Amino acid sequence: DGGITQSPKYLFRKEGQNVTLSCEQNLNHDAMYWYRQDPGQGLRLIYYSQIVNDFQKGDIAEGYSVSREKKESFPLTVTSAQKNPTAFYLCASRAGLAVYNEQFFGPGTRLTVL
Amino acid sequence: AQKVTQAQTEISVVEKEDVTLDCVYETRDTTYYLFWYKQPPSGELVFLIRRNSFDEQNEISGRYSWNFQKSTSSFNFTITASQVVDSAVYFCALGHLYNFNKFYFGSGTKLNVKP
Repeated sequence: DGGITQSPKYLFRKEGQNVTLSCEQNLNHDAMYWYRQDPGQGLRLIYYSQIVNDFQKGDIAEGYSVSREKKESFPLTVTSAQKNPTAFYLCASRAGLAVYNEQFFGPGTRLTVL
Repeated sequence: AQKVTQAQTEISVVEKEDVTLDCVYETRDTTYYLFWYKQPPSGELVFLIRRNSFDEQNEISGRYSWNFQKSTSSFNFTITASQVVDSAVYFCALGHLYNFNKFYFGSGTKLNVKP
């Protein structure tokens, strides 16, 4: 079955540590996205990538980094510079860049900083 | 400015009741798309519908229906005869032509359907 997988489902981090969230898709989509979801808020865009080896900052990129070495993979690193990293992180992909292309989402990773 | 407002933070209904989730948007664009997504407790957002700015026809899909009114900048979602499985957070989102990687999500409405 085609889809997006994210791992781990739950992640605990000590303050000062970097952690990497995995996102893999087998939908053959070019575009991939990372969102952050906080309670009672909508999704906020962290980073996106339209093609391999290219990515752009979203609205809240500070304290995060990404890479896109393969079409299928778009890992997100939450660095120690991110002041409030506890949140639910969602990865998404799209088949194309037309405005009508909906996004497909993964199941998310819940990150908690201890 | 682009913005989506879902004023209803949480709604509780009893099974079989009808429920409408409100979505009001702001945009200066003439070409845009509106989306609804469902986020069940498992966390994954599921696409429900898209509507472009030139198509104001209402749409019905089973127990779901959507009412798009440009005059009031609203794209409301109605669930008829709600079921417990409809319990989820529902998000409305706006996408526009000139920044196709940017979607504006509302804050979501949590729907609780009680048996």
